[in-house]
Amino acid sequence: DTAVSQTPKYLVTQMGNDKSIKCEQNLGHDTMYWYKQDSKKFLKIMFSYNNKELIINETVPNRFSPKSPDKAHLNLHINSLELGDSAVYFCASSQVRDSRAGYTFGSGTRLTVV
Amino acid sequence: AQSVTQLDSQVPVFEEAPVELRCNYSSSVSVYLFWYVQYPNQGLQLLLKYLSGSTLVKGINGFEAEFNKSQTSFHLRKPSVHISDTAEYFCAVSVSGGYNKLIFGAGTRLAVHP
Repeated sequence: DTAVSQTPKYLVTQMGNDKSIKCEQNLGHDTMYWYKQDSKKFLKIMFSYNNKELIINETVPNRFSPKSPDKAHLNLHINSLELGDSAVYFCASSQVRDSRAGYTFGSGTRLTVV
Repeated sequence: AQSVTQLDSQVPVFEEAPVELRCNYSSSVSVYLFWYVQYPNQGLQLLLKYLSGSTLVKGINGFEAEFNKSQTSFHLRKPSVHISDTAEYFCAVSVSGGYNKLIFGAGTRLAVHP
């Protein structure tokens, strides 16, 4: 079983559309994250949820809205997609109070906006 | 606030040669240090981590890293690289206590040539 799974793996869509990316973890972790990796491979944290509560909300356009129905799932909804949203989006999970463990990452969703 | 600087954006090396990927960090509090590897079109995989104790830590695939507190560095090394080590390598820090927020460096592209 995949520990952190994201769907879809690839997403090609037109400007102005609304799309969602889903993430699920089966590790029993209490915290999940969304990271954006740009074309230069730079990784930037976007959001983090702990037990369905938003705990990290970096400077991200409000077109991006995370939703966590339970601690094993964290979805990312993006409204009015723009060319600059093209990137690889990674989901990750961890135990919030265990900074020693690092994160477990999903395999990423490559979003291309045309 | 914490920050991570990876001093080389690209490191070309011949197969079976040794390699060092450099990482410096900045923090006013104690941190945990990590190295992740990202193979092409894949997610991030934990290579190794420094939590405390011995400053030389060993990881998977023959990699090791040395923590140097006075120089605030955590350089990654491998005595003999393989073609299959070609990947992007990320250094990251998290702060002990508080929320588990992982801050990444910009990445170093290791290109191993035959």
